[in-house]
Amino acid sequence: AQSVTQLGSHVSVSEGALVLLRCNYSSSVPPYLFWYVQYPNQGLQLLLKYTSAATLVKGINGFEAEFKKSETSFHLTKPSAHMSDAAEYFCAVSAFSNFGNEKLTFGTGTRLTIIP
Amino acid sequence: GAGVSQSPSNKVTEKGKDVELRCDPISGHTALYWYRQSLGQGLEFLIYFQGNSAPDKSGLPSDRFSAERTGGSVSTLTIQRTQQEDSAVYLCASSFGGSGSEKLFFGSGTQLSVL
Repeated sequence: AQSVTQLGSHVSVSEGALVLLRCNYSSSVPPYLFWYVQYPNQGLQLLLKYTSAATLVKGINGFEAEFKKSETSFHLTKPSAHMSDAAEYFCAVSAFSNFGNEKLTFGTGTRLTIIP
Repeated sequence: GAGVSQSPSNKVTEKGKDVELRCDPISGHTALYWYRQSLGQGLEFLIYFQGNSAPDKSGLPSDRFSAERTGGSVSTLTIQRTQQEDSAVYLCASSFGGSGSEKLFFGSGTQLSVL
């Protein structure tokens, strides 16, 4: 079974500063990793995903994440925060094993606040 | 339809009553998930349907919760004898399925309030 741990339920950064949201995963088989974002009063949408191709994955709105197997991490970054990035971010993991598709399991989320 | 549709969008019920929540996935999507989102709890997995395979019910919190998916399309989540702790947003999502790497499309959710 897979799981993800998101370090920090709340993160605040100043506008223009680096955004770093942490995610560590646990999986017995090669994982698929995702970041989803939920903007205020909106549904969840996919930000980016890793599916065993390039380890550095670029997503929408200038976000990217790097898969590091040695650290079992998939941290989300953005070089310069914008006010519109304020949202809740969820890391998620799934996999494909001999037993079939593993369900997509989410972390508890990180609420990102941008300080003007 | 254009997206995942959930109904009702809001449901207020009295403790002890049964409720049914409906999800219409995107046409052609073989995978369907139900999650529960509570304040500070993130997204809690409830149940996962993939094609004709037996559903993964490992996330259902008690035997008061059940779900079915008829004809590989519409799904209904039923909560019997609702309790106040069942109050949450119930989210449905669907995808093409197949390998586990597919993007999930989420509905807007049903806000359930148990008084």
